[in-house]
Amino acid sequence: QSALTQPASMSASPGQSITISCSGTTSDFGGYNYVSWYQQHPGKAPKLIIYEVGNRPSGVSNRFSGSKSGNTASLTISGLQAEDEADYYCTSYRDSDSLVLFGGGTKLTVL
Amino acid sequence: QVQLQESGPGLVKPSETLSLSCSVSGHSIDSAYYWGWVRQPPGKGLEWIGSIYRTQKTYYSMSLKSRVTISVDTSKNQFSLRLTSVTAADTAVFYCARLRGSSWTFDYWGQGTLVTVSS
Repeated sequence: QSALTQPASMSASPGQSITISCSGTTSDFGGYNYVSWYQQHPGKAPKLIIYEVGNRPSGVSNRFSGSKSGNTASLTISGLQAEDEADYYCTSYRDSDSLVLFGGGTKLTVL
Repeated sequence: QVQLQESGPGLVKPSETLSLSCSVSGHSIDSAYYWGWVRQPPGKGLEWIGSIYRTQKTYYSMSLKSRVTISVDTSKNQFSLRLTSVTAADTAVFYCARLRGSSWTFDYWGQGTLVTVSS
């Protein structure tokens, strides 16, 4: 199955806000709001930052927020900081034997 | 605190079988969670390989289904991955992770282990 579509790279300056999109088909999202976002720094394991479209796990900065409209989910990072420079991946739940679909990933550069 | 740790050979020959284990501490593997594997080829994105639920029910990526087996050893509180007939394209960092079924999120991850397929 194809990955969810994310922009390959994005950049912004410290203090700015940025929105990363994650697009798929109705089948990709399965009609559910089970969209998650992960942050991955080089050489590290991914870290969950958003689940169920817009919920933040304990300890994750409120500068991270998520939303979904139709077949496109979005991750917004406000007040960008140097430490936000990382790769970001979205995932969705598929109601089939293939449970999880990843996005292709977005490399965020904080200029 | 849930912790996961991958282990296994870092080098596998083409056409052979890749075998990895994931030891879980801080949580029983025989619980209402999915346990599974995600891989990441060098410089590329994440790919879900498959997951196992309640030690029995398995779910696999369609693209790897014919070559993948995930199993659980409850006596050791660990689960394993077998990937057969590997090629250089299977070279990747392999992560084990817990998948929470209530929200379909990977909430705990291992540190990852690099497996290189080369003769």
